[in-house]
Amino acid sequence: DQQVKQNSPSLSVQEGRISILNCDYTNSMFDYFLWYKKYPAEGPTFLISISSIKDKNEDGRFTVFLNKSAKHLSLHIVPSQPGDSAVYFCAASAESGTASKLTFGTGTRLQVTL
Amino acid sequence: KAGVTQTPRYLIKTRGQQVTLSCSPISGHRSVSWYQQTPGQGLQFLFEYFSETQRNKGNFPGRFSGRQFSNSRSEMNVSTLELGDSALYLCASRDVNTEAFFGQGTRLTVV
Repeated sequence: DQQVKQNSPSLSVQEGRISILNCDYTNSMFDYFLWYKKYPAEGPTFLISISSIKDKNEDGRFTVFLNKSAKHLSLHIVPSQPGDSAVYFCAASAESGTASKLTFGTGTRLQVTL
Repeated sequence: KAGVTQTPRYLIKTRGQQVTLSCSPISGHRSVSWYQQTPGQGLQFLFEYFSETQRNKGNFPGRFSGRQFSNSRSEMNVSTLELGDSALYLCASRDVNTEAFFGQGTRLTVV
């Protein structure tokens, strides 16, 4: 049973435009959500997180939105850059707002074209 | 600060053997978690250690075990290796209120 789902395996966006990556979850106990970026043969790199008590968190070009009623979160990257091309993972935790025992989605491959 | 360091980076083992992987967390981080990444199952949580005690465990058989030392370094052991254990094993460290920071992983191939 996939508790965290990223239904788009891939996304292609033009440089300078907005990239929107989506994630859905089923476990209502999740209270902390994170986005990671991963390059081949490397470990995931933390991008941004959001607690379930918020609906938006912003860090530079990255913004995460959380819709608890829809059990949906999204990552917006504005403007997209070629260096953003990577696989993006959504992760969730039900451990009292900490990044413990993360459940990951299957990832979305983002390609930013020139 | 140095990041999370995992050794070795690559490993080839034979079915039935056992393997030990090592992880040195970011200085000051007391929690170390282990994850397995495979093409079929994605990234899955194995276990987490905090101050030398296992505090969380995923749904993996008892062949997968770990431990943490007083300096927060952690080792993961897999006994009686199976072909399906071939994967990228990732270690993540964090402190109480920080995010989880991952190492580069150990690529294990079982032949």
